Amino acid sequence: EDQVTQSPEALRLQEGESSSLNCSYTVSGLRGLFWYRQDPGKGPEFLFTLYSAGEEKEKERLKATLTKKESFLHITAPKPEDSATYLCAVLNTGNQFYFGTGTSLTVIP
Amino acid sequence: EAGVVQSPRYKIIEKKQPVAFWCNPISGHNTLYWYRQNLGQGPELLIRYENEEAVDDSQLPKDRFSAERLKGVDSTLKIQPAELGDSAVYLCASSSGLRQYFGPGTRLTVT
Repeated sequence: EDQVTQSPEALRLQEGESSSLNCSYTVSGLRGLFWYRQDPGKGPEFLFTLYSAGEEKEKERLKATLTKKESFLHITAPKPEDSATYLCAVLNTGNQFYFGTGTSLTVIP
Repeated sequence: EAGVVQSPRYKIIEKKQPVAFWCNPISGHNTLYWYRQNLGQGPELLIRYENEEAVDDSQLPKDRFSAERLKGVDSTLKIQPAELGDSAVYLCASSSGLRQYFGPGTRLTVT
């Protein structure tokens, strides 16, 4: 069965302290891996799509990477406004999305 | 560009009562999704539409949940009767490719 596991569940960082979030997945056939940001009381907001192993995408302080088994979301010198829940999802060749449970990130000033 | 619109934003009902959620997707998006998100969890797909056709409703509890998407635009998700375990956030999303755009969700509380 297709599955997505994210770790850690929660992460507290000091402002400027870089770290990485992990998304491990098993999927019958990968069409894409997606990263979303979700703020309290809001719907998920799209960040990146990765399609194949070795691919990398960057946006401001965020960088997403993909291997055949996992993806990392690297956060460089985070700011308090980066505090949110980060969700990972995979889309399989049957056009089904599977989401992880998310990593709750808190960046302390 | 207007985003995905959902209403109501919040709903509190007693168990066994019916409830309905409405979603207006982004104009031109043929694919519409309804998800349920429990606290501390990721979204779980309930149903996916391609235009007017429900192409994946395998996770929809059909004994109490129903959905429709008339004319391939707006969609309504209904629960009848609601149970305590239905308390969650119901998210609607739309897409014209692989990228999904989510609405703000409807937070349902069943007492």
